[in-house]
Order: sequence, then structure tokens, then C-alpha cells
Amino acid sequence: NAGVTQTPKFRILKIGQSMTLQCTQDMNHNYMYWYRQDPGMGLKLIYYSVGAGITDKGEVPNGYNVSRSTTEDFPLRLELAAPSQTSVYFCASSYSGTDSNQPQHFGDGTRLSIL
Amino acid sequence: KQEVTQIPAALSVPEGENLVLNCSFTDSAIYNLQWFRQDPGKGLTSLLLIQSSQREQTSGRLNASLDKSSGRSTLYIAASQPGDSATYLCAVLGASKLTFGTGTRLQVTL
Repeated sequence: NAGVTQTPKFRILKIGQSMTLQCTQDMNHNYMYWYRQDPGMGLKLIYYSVGAGITDKGEVPNGYNVSRSTTEDFPLRLELAAPSQTSVYFCASSYSGTDSNQPQHFGDGTRLSIL
Repeated sequence: KQEVTQIPAALSVPEGENLVLNCSFTDSAIYNLQWFRQDPGKGLTSLLLIQSSQREQTSGRLNASLDKSSGRSTLYIAASQPGDSATYLCAVLGASKLTFGTGTRLQVTL
């Protein structure tokens, strides 16, 4: 059972470079999320999507873009990488956003360093 | 704005002890509360989910309680083992969004 798959697992970028973090899920979940986790901190929501073609900003969206062309995929794009974006990025999915009995499922994360 | 606080930030206990991790949240309008485990360099593993209408959930040596009116949850770990060493995160679901605490880093020593 693949669940939520994130690629790459690690990446080092130079300031100003761009990249796309990939996330795919095989559980036919409607909701998908991107979080970042800084050292010693909880996870902060960057963007989320309630279904294909629909995305919305979370708590810390600046410097990122997302798209949701299919139910399975939810890529996160960094256009101009900055040192402040050094973090661990987690993708998650859930069947419903407000169904109290449905947990979010997380990928293993992408560790991104910007130098 | 929902805020989630976890106390203590770190905890070290000898093997075999029972322990309690605490989580508090400021807005009681939640759909559920989840406890996660995070091992170093790894993702999050869901341990327990308590719906807003429930008071507690149990899984093996883990028991989580929820008092929505007071904005508190506890995670009770019985007979702790070295393999329980990890960071434990609580998160509350409201308006399609999970809000996370900063976690409690647990070390269980031999």
C-alpha cells in the first residue's frame, strides 16, 4: 500500500533556483495538503486542495504555488528559493476535510536546504 | 485563530513508567483531535483520533482523552518502552485544517 508518496526525499538548492516537490496519493482522497516543519516547531499549512482544480491558501503560502490537475497529484512549486524556505515539507491527504472520523495520512517528507 | 500548546516540550523517563503528555487548544470548535508520532527524520504516524463527540480512544498501551469544553487532551502511555522514544504531536481539526502543537520529545531510558 503506497499511501502518500513524496519525491524527492532530499534536495539542496541554491538561492534563486526553482523546483517542484511532488506528491501523489493512491487512496482516492479528495483533500490534499502541504505543510512545512521547521526545527522544533509544529507543522504549518502552506496550501490545501479540496478536489481537482481547487486550491486555497493556508497559513504560510508566500513563496509557493500549487496546482491540482488530478485527484492523485498535488505538486508544490518554489519559484525563487530563499534561505527561509529551508525546511521539511510534508504532503498529506484525507477523504474529507471535516469528517470527524477521517484522519490525515502523511508522506515521509522532503528535506529541502537552500544555500 | 486556533493555537495548540503541548507540555512538556521534552520528557525523559525510565523504562516501565506510565506517563502523560498534555495538549491544550484555544478554540473548542473542532471536529476531531489527533495524536501523531514522529521518529527522527521520518514522517508522521497517526496514533489515535478522537472525534469531537467522544471522550477517549484506546489503542494497546495508548489512551487519549478529550475534554473539548476545557480545550484539553491527554495521551497516556502505559508501561513505557525504549521503542516509544519519539516526538508526539497533537493536532486539532477545524474548518478543513489541522492545527498542530510543537510536540513533546519523549525519551525512554533503559
